[in-house]
Amino acid sequence: AQSVAQPEDQVKVAEGNPLTVKCTYSVSGNPYLFWYVQYPNRGLQFLLKYITGDNLVKGSYGFEAEFNKSQTSFHLKKPSALVSDSALYFCAVRDILTGGGNKLTFGTGTQLKVEL
Amino acid sequence: DAGVIQSPRHEVTEMGQEVTLRCKPISGHDYLFWYRQTMMRGLELLIYFNNNVPIDDSGMPEDRFSAKMPNASFSTLKIQPSEPRDSAVYFCASSPDRGLGTGELFFGEGSRLTVL
Repeated sequence: AQSVAQPEDQVKVAEGNPLTVKCTYSVSGNPYLFWYVQYPNRGLQFLLKYITGDNLVKGSYGFEAEFNKSQTSFHLKKPSALVSDSALYFCAVRDILTGGGNKLTFGTGTQLKVEL
Repeated sequence: DAGVIQSPRHEVTEMGQEVTLRCKPISGHDYLFWYRQTMMRGLELLIYFNNNVPIDDSGMPEDRFSAKMPNASFSTLKIQPSEPRDSAVYFCASSPDRGLGTGELFFGEGSRLTVL
């Protein structure tokens, strides 16, 4: 079975500081990993994904994520946070080899709050 | 492209009534997913379709829930009879995956259901 864990319910950072939102995953085969963002009363929006290749993936709005196979992690990062980055962030995993098909399993979400 | 379109955006109904939620996926997308989001349980996959065929409905909570996709441009999620514990935001998402497992999901804005 595939699963993903987001250990922090909330992350607070000051504007201009770097931010990290943590995610660890568990799959039997090779993972496809995704980050999504949800603003209040909106649907989830795709930020970035790791399929294969370079472990550092760059996505929308200046976000990036680093795939670490040995630590089974896919942490979301941004060098300089903006107040407008405040939102709910979801990590998701898909495990193709175990017949997960095209189902994405989402984490519980991490509320990011960027303060002035 | 207009994106994934869901209706209604808000629905308030009384216990025992039938509820029908509608979704129009992005044209050309092969996969359609129905998710439910609650504070307690996070994002749960209810069912997904590939080329209008239901592939996995193991997330459908009870027989009161049913979903159909009569054609490539329309899907419904029906709850009959509805109960207060069905109150949630229901999201529809589509994906241009082509079976590769690498495609991201495109979410609609959601249908917020309140059952009194």
